[in-house]
Amino acid sequence: QKEVEQDPGPLSVPEGAIVSLNCTYSNSAFQYFMWYRQYSRKGPELLMYTYSSGNKEDGRFTAQVDKSSKYISLFIRDSQPSDSATYLCAMSASGNQFYFGTGTSLTVIP
Amino acid sequence: GAGVSQSPSNKVTEKGKDVELRCDPISGHTALYWYRQSLGQGLEFLIYFQGNSAPDKSGLPSDRFSAERTGGSVSTLTIQRTQQEDSAVYLCASSSGTREAQPQHFGDGTRLSIL
Repeated sequence: QKEVEQDPGPLSVPEGAIVSLNCTYSNSAFQYFMWYRQYSRKGPELLMYTYSSGNKEDGRFTAQVDKSSKYISLFIRDSQPSDSATYLCAMSASGNQFYFGTGTSLTVIP
Repeated sequence: GAGVSQSPSNKVTEKGKDVELRCDPISGHTALYWYRQSLGQGLEFLIYFQGNSAPDKSGLPSDRFSAERTGGSVSTLTIQRTQQEDSAVYLCASSSGTREAQPQHFGDGTRLSIL
């Protein structure tokens, strides 16, 4: 079983839709959670960074962590064509070992 | 710029040649990571540096791969006797933390193609 599972998609939504991206994990020691956005031919760009459970909001983006279910989500409100990218989740227990999902490809159609 | 810089951005070479990839991390970041990303695959961890030392080399796929970091800054990933399966995007990331998992900041990668 992989440490982190992420549905690769592809996911296609109309502009203005609410997008929900998810990852599940198996290691209950994970307590640091990140979401990255990766445009084609670019490196991953950090979007959200959260510690432990709960919600974090930044503009149109909301990250949720449910440690009891070992499940994290990223919500994008009022999605825009510029949100079209691959979204990667990442997590860590502590220190410097990180585990990444394989990424979900998102297309927002104008 | 203030971000992670990688060079070259693209590299095409013949099978059997050696290649050297460079990463210049964000100034002041003590931790540096190398990953490999293949089409449709996730990020494959290669090696992690804290300062100039590499406490975790567990991800290096074979002894053809090596990396060093000097002056706590620039890092070089070297692949000797390249094989076609080495074709991938090689990403470098840096972060400021040690004990806590500080988020990583990535460069745009080196796209390596082995003919």
